[in-house]
Amino acid sequence: DAGVTQSPTHLIKTRGQHVTLRCSPISGHKSVSWYQQVLGQGPQFIFQYYEKEERGRGNFPDRFSARQFPNYSSELNVNALLLGDSALYLCASSGGWGVEQYFGPGTRLTVT
Amino acid sequence: KQEVTQIPAALSVPEGENLVLNCSFTDSAIYNLQWFRQDPGKGLTSLLLIQSSQREQTSGRLNASLDKSSGRSTLYIAASQPGDSATYLCAVSGTDKLIFGTGTRLQVFP
Repeated sequence: DAGVTQSPTHLIKTRGQHVTLRCSPISGHKSVSWYQQVLGQGPQFIFQYYEKEERGRGNFPDRFSARQFPNYSSELNVNALLLGDSALYLCASSGGWGVEQYFGPGTRLTVT
Repeated sequence: KQEVTQIPAALSVPEGENLVLNCSFTDSAIYNLQWFRQDPGKGLTSLLLIQSSQREQTSGRLNASLDKSSGRSTLYIAASQPGDSATYLCAVSGTDKLIFGTGTRLQVFP
């Protein structure tokens, strides 16, 4: 079975631009979460979606938004990119809450 | 506010040693605790999940324990190998998210 997949793998953007990152969860998983990991730090929670509804939001500005589609895949959108948005963006899927979270390989975003 | 700390930040050991990585958290109201491995520039690989009602979990050469009352977890790696070199992260689950420590960077040399 395929694990969590994310696209693209790498992305280079310029300050002020917009970016969309995509995630496909493990088949049967209805929960998708997004995390941002800057170099040398642990991942920081951005959003959680379950059954297409937002169930949690981290301490990130409104430039960050996300959605979950009927097939449970998800998009993370970031507007007006700043240099500080450069990071590894990780997607995690699970069958619900309180169970094991499985992470994808991440999207490396570089903002210049 | 939940805070997760991992000690040591880095560890370099010869092959064959038994290791203990430490994780501490400030709020004992957690659903579970999960240990992950991360290779440089890669995603996270789940190693072990300990539910809040459990005391330990084992997988191969790995054993993780959980003491909620003291806010501590340890990951024990037996007979370390160079392939174990990676960053190890612990994360506690709150109501809607995982809260991570900053990790222990492990290097096992031949």
